[in-house]
Amino acid sequence: GQQLNQSPQSMFIQEGEDVSMNCTSSSIFNTWLWYKQDPGEGPVLLIALYKAGELTSNGRLTAQFGITRKDSFLNISASIPSDVGIYFCAGRTGNQFYFGTGTSLTVIP
Amino acid sequence: NAGVTQTPKFQVLKTGQSMTLQCAQDMNHNSMYWYRQDPGMGLRLIYYSASEGTTDKGEVPNGYNVSRLNKREFSLRLESAAPSQTSVYFCASALGGGEKLFFGSGTQLSVL
Repeated sequence: GQQLNQSPQSMFIQEGEDVSMNCTSSSIFNTWLWYKQDPGEGPVLLIALYKAGELTSNGRLTAQFGITRKDSFLNISASIPSDVGIYFCAGRTGNQFYFGTGTSLTVIP
Repeated sequence: NAGVTQTPKFQVLKTGQSMTLQCAQDMNHNSMYWYRQDPGMGLRLIYYSASEGTTDKGEVPNGYNVSRLNKREFSLRLESAAPSQTSVYFCASALGGGEKLFFGSGTQLSVL
């Protein structure tokens, strides 16, 4: 299957700090998606990106579709305690979606 | 709207037992997917159905079968459960190619 490398694996930050995580692949994707997963729940879609170079925001979240179509990043500004969770990137090619291994975010009040 | 609904939420099986995981979506989506999630390995695709009447293997299909019963429902069957199939299973759906993928809340399966 397609390999998506997501980094960092985990982050411990103070409330109010900004967060940045990224995802890279050896393959080109047509769509990049970013999800957040809380314990015991399914992943919830945060942002969808459809074009190379696209920069999209959703509140305090900003994500970009890399120019090469092989990478994407997610920024969270001014983190708050409810940002805690695991963040996943996903890339689409054809009808299939491939996922990164996740970034675990802990926000210290 | 309920979105994507999975049942059961939890299940414990003995090795060799069979069971079917149910999934239904009420968003009129064409494509449906089954993933498994294991620690440190992200989500891996088991099977998917691009449209009603079609199913295709994903990355880890061995030991599983699927049925796209109609446009709403996509079930995953374990014919003879093995401990290696202990995992959290997620069903997901999308309107069609290129669209956003929406997930159910998962089934936690333990095979003893």
